[in-house]
Amino acid sequence: QSVLTQPPSVSAAPGQKVTISCSGGSSNIGNHYVAWYRHLPGTAPKLLIFDTYKRPSGIPDRFSGSKSGTSATLDITGLQTGDEADYYCAVWDDSLSAGVFGGGTKLTVL
Amino acid sequence: EVQLVESGGDFVQPGGSLRLSCAASGFTFSKYWMHWVRQAPGKGLEWVSRIRPDGYADYADSVKGRFIVSRDNAKNTQYLQMNSLRAEDTAVYYCGKDVHDVAMDVRGQGTTVTVS
Repeated sequence: QSVLTQPPSVSAAPGQKVTISCSGGSSNIGNHYVAWYRHLPGTAPKLLIFDTYKRPSGIPDRFSGSKSGTSATLDITGLQTGDEADYYCAVWDDSLSAGVFGGGTKLTVL
Repeated sequence: EVQLVESGGDFVQPGGSLRLSCAASGFTFSKYWMHWVRQAPGKGLEWVSRIRPDGYADYADSVKGRFIVSRDNAKNTQYLQMNSLRAEDTAVYYCGKDVHDVAMDVRGQGTTVTVS
């Protein structure tokens, strides 16, 4: 069981918006920056968001991150069928002195 | 362009050892923290380790005391020495170039370790 809790799955129609949540605690999200990844098994995980809300070069502004207290959120707008993948939050945890990933959320674009 | 190429994955018996390598290019390797992450079959991503340019390292509890991460800045290569391997270490292992905290740039296809 991860210290970060994500919903197992979310779904929305093409063109719509979806929100993926990541719930943690004071030793991780409450005190550190959050990263978000997109992953298709068998391929390299793709960094979407770092430092809670910043996008690496090449990541469209359809992807946005935010944080409030001990929870973080990834919003994806203008959904495309190509967005179907597993999405993970990640953060450093002071209690563990280690990085942690959420359990992952499978996004289905209906 | 950043390139990261993992290698060294193999089949190994429980209790055995294996050394993974991550060859880096396209950036000044000696200035960056480097990470290892893994994905076991049917499971999510798991952070494994990170190493600072001077060799200081942090580990996940699941591998602490069994895995040792190291680096050769002259060869632009990171290593993961995996000892006392268990079935639950079976996974695809990826290396990543640090961006900040646990944000990393992962470029390779990973290397597969099977403990059985």
